[in-house]
Amino acid sequence: AQTVTQSQPEMSVQEAETVTLSCTYDTSESNYYLFWYKQPPSRQMILVIRQEAYKQQNATENRFSVNFQKAAKSFSLKISDSQLGDTAMYFCAFAPRGGSEKLVFGKGTKLTVNP
Amino acid sequence: GAGVSQSPRYKVAKRGQDVALRCDPISGHVSLFWYQQALGQGPEFLTYFQNEAQLDKSGLPSDRFFAERPEGSVSTLKIQRTQQEDSAVYLCASSLDLPNRDYHEQYFGPGTRLTVT
Repeated sequence: AQTVTQSQPEMSVQEAETVTLSCTYDTSESNYYLFWYKQPPSRQMILVIRQEAYKQQNATENRFSVNFQKAAKSFSLKISDSQLGDTAMYFCAFAPRGGSEKLVFGKGTKLTVNP
Repeated sequence: GAGVSQSPRYKVAKRGQDVALRCDPISGHVSLFWYQQALGQGPEFLTYFQNEAQLDKSGLPSDRFFAERPEGSVSTLKIQRTQQEDSAVYLCASSLDLPNRDYHEQYFGPGTRLTVT
C-alpha cells in the first residue's frame, strides 16, 4: 500500500517571499506520478503541478516548482513570490501509473500568505 | 466549459437515514472517482468507474455505501443507514482518458458536505 506524509500541518509566509512545503511517500511501485493539489477555502481542488517518477527533471509551473528526490522518496513544493491567492490547503498526492490511477493523498498543509 | 458539478452541496441527515449524492462529470469524461474527505484530512479514495463499469470499489468503508453510474455519465453515491462517522465532504472527480496520453488529469467537483446528526 502507498502512503503519503506531510509533516507540516500549517505554514505561513509573507507576500512575495518563498516557501517550501514538504512531502514524503512510500511505495513499492516503480512507475508512478506525484502531484501537488491546492484546495482554497470553500473552493474546488485544483492541480498545481505533476511529476512523473521516470523523469529526472523537476517539474515547474510558473511560480511553482518541485524538488523530487526519488531515492529518498521526497517530493517538496516550492512557491516563489508568494501571493495572497496562494492561501489554501495544499495536498501532496501519489498515483500508480496504469490501472485506475486513483489518488492517495497526504493530510495536507494549510498555507497562509500574509500581506 | 462546465466543470464537474455535485448536488446537493450540503446535506444534513439524521442518523439512520439514507442519502443519495449526485455527481455530474465533465461531458465526455470516461473515468469517474469518488473520494471521502473527513474534516482536517486529505481525501480518501472510495470507488472508480470507467464508463458504466465499476472497476474498483476497494475504498468503500462498508456495505452501507453503494455507487452506480448506469449510463456512463452521471453517478450517484448512496449511503444507507447513515452513521455519525459518515460525516465528511464527498468529492467527485472525472478524467478524459485519451488514448496514448501519459496521464489523465482528474478534475474535481466542489463536493457535498454531509453532516449526520
